[in-house]
Amino acid sequence: LAKTTQPISMDSYEGQEVNITCSHNNIATNDYITWYQQFPSQGPRFIIQGYKTKVTNEVASLFIPADRKSSTLSLPRVSLSDTAVYYCLVGDPYSGAGSYQLTFGKGTKLSVIP
Amino acid sequence: DSGVTQTPKHLITATGQRVTLRCSPRSGDLSVYWYQQSLDQGLQFLIHYYNGEERAKGNILERFSAQQFPDLHSELNLSSLELGDSALYFCASSVGGGHEQFFGPGTRLTVL
Repeated sequence: LAKTTQPISMDSYEGQEVNITCSHNNIATNDYITWYQQFPSQGPRFIIQGYKTKVTNEVASLFIPADRKSSTLSLPRVSLSDTAVYYCLVGDPYSGAGSYQLTFGKGTKLSVIP
Repeated sequence: DSGVTQTPKHLITATGQRVTLRCSPRSGDLSVYWYQQSLDQGLQFLIHYYNGEERAKGNILERFSAQQFPDLHSELNLSSLELGDSALYFCASSVGGGHEQFFGPGTRLTVL
């Protein structure tokens, strides 16, 4: 399983763009990169998933360089409600029976300041 | 609301006891996952079931077991409980084995 490394915490002011980088040096060929958001005492919520280059949805963008050894979650114009823990996960979501599991790291605690 | 339900919401019990946590996945989801989240360990994957069959095991203790029933709901059984088992237990579901999992509200277990 590919190990991920993220900053423990980040602070940002409201309205700013926030970029959270995740390192995954031993990512495998079939691995995808997925980001989740978690508020206190709630279950994580899927944000975005990608394999390479750039993926964008209504809430975030995910940038993955050609070597795929890192990825960056970009949150445009954050608000106070974006204060949460963000997890980067790496793994093959389409692997066969018996080998699939998700590994959540410590995550990055994002604090948005008014 | 993710569509995943978990019961009970809170559970307080004593060391040495056995408890059962229940999860109902979203309609149409065949995969159910169980996670444990404690302050010092973060979010730990326990086990994954797909359409009634075990697909993967994570850091699940031998005192813990799970199953997924024909109607696709799942139960996580925790026995010989220890103080260190106090945690939030989340269930998640997905259509297949993909990474987009939908998490339930969790069951907070307190072992006294």
